[in-house]
Amino acid sequence: SAVISQKPSRDICQRGTSLTIQCQVDSQVTMMFWYRQQPGQSLTLIATANQGSEATYESGFVIDKFPISRPNLTFSTLTVSNMSPEDSSIYLCSVGRGEFTEAFFGQGTRLTVV
Amino acid sequence: DQQVKQNSPSLSVQEGRISILNCDYTNSMFDYFLWYKKYPAEGPTFLISISSIKDKNEDGRFTVFLNKSAKHLSLHIVPSQPGDSAVYFCAASGRAADSSYKLIFGSGTRLLVRP
Repeated sequence: SAVISQKPSRDICQRGTSLTIQCQVDSQVTMMFWYRQQPGQSLTLIATANQGSEATYESGFVIDKFPISRPNLTFSTLTVSNMSPEDSSIYLCSVGRGEFTEAFFGQGTRLTVV
Repeated sequence: DQQVKQNSPSLSVQEGRISILNCDYTNSMFDYFLWYKKYPAEGPTFLISISSIKDKNEDGRFTVFLNKSAKHLSLHIVPSQPGDSAVYFCAASGRAADSSYKLIFGSGTRLLVRP
């Protein structure tokens, strides 16, 4: 298994500001994933972050809004830029193994934008 | 287009009885199916998975059944315990156009096990 630490665990932010969420894994992983869970909704993949290359974004998500860094094999950040109340969600970092026979998640960051 | 569906938003079961959580999918190319449990203020925790070439996988109190012809899978928990009360997500794994694997999640079912 993998132990994933996310920071911060929660935050309340003013609209128009940005928040950077950090994800630290206790082992080297090739691919890291960022998800969003809006209130009462499922987990939606935002992007896949590979070390040494640009992140791959899913339909409906753009780099200007959700810039991602992946400086090494154990760490990634997701920034939520120019926030609005619609960005209020839980943001989750995840790592997978092989063909996704298992995937592991951090505890999530609960973001509230006011 | 929702490729993975959990049509029951909630389920209430008596302690000791069986809990059956259902999941339907539309894409026949999915390779693996996974179940996750999520408590409030925590990330999802992996429970059990099943390969698309199998029809059953069992791990302790948890059994997952896959019916490929119906594009349906279910998670059975027996006996159910109050600590099983959580939101359960079904997820499917398959190759995307760029050959990477992605997980697609259902909307979740909230299970309540009554003492």
